[in-house]
Amino acid sequence: DGGITQSPKYLFRKEGQNVTLSCEQNLNHDAMYWYRQDPGQGLRLIYYSQIVNDFQKGDIAEGYSVSREKKESFPLTVTSAQKNPTAFYLCASSIAAGTNSGNTIYFGEGSWLTVV
Amino acid sequence: GQQVMQIPQYQHVQEGEDFTTYCNSSTTLSNIQWYKQRPGGHPVFLIQLVKSGEVKKQKRLTFQFGEAKKNSSLHITATQTTDVGTYFCAGAGMGTYKYIFGTGTRLKVLA
Repeated sequence: DGGITQSPKYLFRKEGQNVTLSCEQNLNHDAMYWYRQDPGQGLRLIYYSQIVNDFQKGDIAEGYSVSREKKESFPLTVTSAQKNPTAFYLCASSIAAGTNSGNTIYFGEGSWLTVV
Repeated sequence: GQQVMQIPQYQHVQEGEDFTTYCNSSTTLSNIQWYKQRPGGHPVFLIQLVKSGEVKKQKRLTFQFGEAKKNSSLHITATQTTDVGTYFCAGAGMGTYKYIFGTGTRLKVLA
């Protein structure tokens, strides 16, 4: 099955702990993204990566970190510096076909993170 | 930074009525995409528009991209209960892959 796999689907974190959300894609896509969605809200961009070993901050990068050591993997770490981390996290990927073309974004199933 | 706003935030319609959501970007976009998210699910791609003034149709859905490539709309004719969900637009500025999603419009269809 081709697609984007996120794990875990549900995660509980104690205050002060770092947690890492996994995202793997087998679509051979160059670009990968992490979005945060709060209940009833839109999607906000945390980090994005256009190519291996390179990534850029999105609009709400504070308290988060990422790595892109392999094309198919883009893990997100939610650090203790993120003061309000409870949210739905969506990983996504797209072909980086050129910035003047459409680049359909495919999403994973998402990960629910709750701070307890 | 780039901002993408959508209106309305919520819309309740009777089944069979039409529905429109509008998307406005603070910057010129290289292209715009529309996504639908069902309750409890993840966003699913509907369509992309690339050319200035482009209009595309998918059955009862009509998508438009503004002449200035800063706004877009999605119109649904004769809504059905299966249209329920949140509709998002997403766009990237010229020369970038930084896709920013709109605030979304949540549609409820009353049978």
